[in-house]
Amino acid sequence: AQTVTQSQPEMSVQEAETVTLSCTYDTSESDYYLFWYKQPPSRQMILVIRQEAYKQQNATENRFSVNFQKAAKSFSLKISDSQLGDAAMYFCAYRSPLTQGGSEKLVFGKGTKLTVNP
Amino acid sequence: DTEVTQTPKHLVMGMTNKKSLKCEQHMGHRAMYWYKQKAKKPPELMFVYSYEKLSINESVPSRFSPECPNSSLLNLHLHALQPEDSALYLCASSRQGAKSYNEQFFGPGTRLTVL
Repeated sequence: AQTVTQSQPEMSVQEAETVTLSCTYDTSESDYYLFWYKQPPSRQMILVIRQEAYKQQNATENRFSVNFQKAAKSFSLKISDSQLGDAAMYFCAYRSPLTQGGSEKLVFGKGTKLTVNP
Repeated sequence: DTEVTQTPKHLVMGMTNKKSLKCEQHMGHRAMYWYKQKAKKPPELMFVYSYEKLSINESVPSRFSPECPNSSLLNLHLHALQPEDSALYLCASSRQGAKSYNEQFFGPGTRLTVL
């Protein structure tokens, strides 16, 4: 079974600075999908960024980018120019591809609470 | 419309009550999910519906009964709940496709309190 580990329960960053959230995972599959979700306090969980394992190029979405190291099974999230609105719980998640007998089930890490200081 | 809606936002019920949670999406997604989330924890999957059929039940107690009347609507019927069932209940939906991210879109959740 796949597992996802987020080793930083809490992180803080100064506004306008850069922060990196760690995520490692364990799998024997060669193809899979990785996601970072953001859940602000009392607000909706939204997708921040996604990565397909066979793509070597790291995904980027505006100020958010990932460092995907497939051999190391690492999928860290970098937030540049941090803003107050980035304060949230961030969850890393893994999903197997349906073609390999996987299901729609997401395996979540325990989350990292990010605080942005003004 | 890229939204998953959930009603009610808040629900307080006694252990003998029967209530239902509702989830709706109009994105044409054919997979819908129920999650339970405790404070400061990740969501825990409860049920998955694929093409209106129950495809995953994560050994959820029978006091939770899901229903998918059509491709846009998902209900969760609650009966004889326990105080430990108090949590945020999230609904999500996604496309179905073997070669696709199929990322899940989440609703805002229903905050359930069982007295």
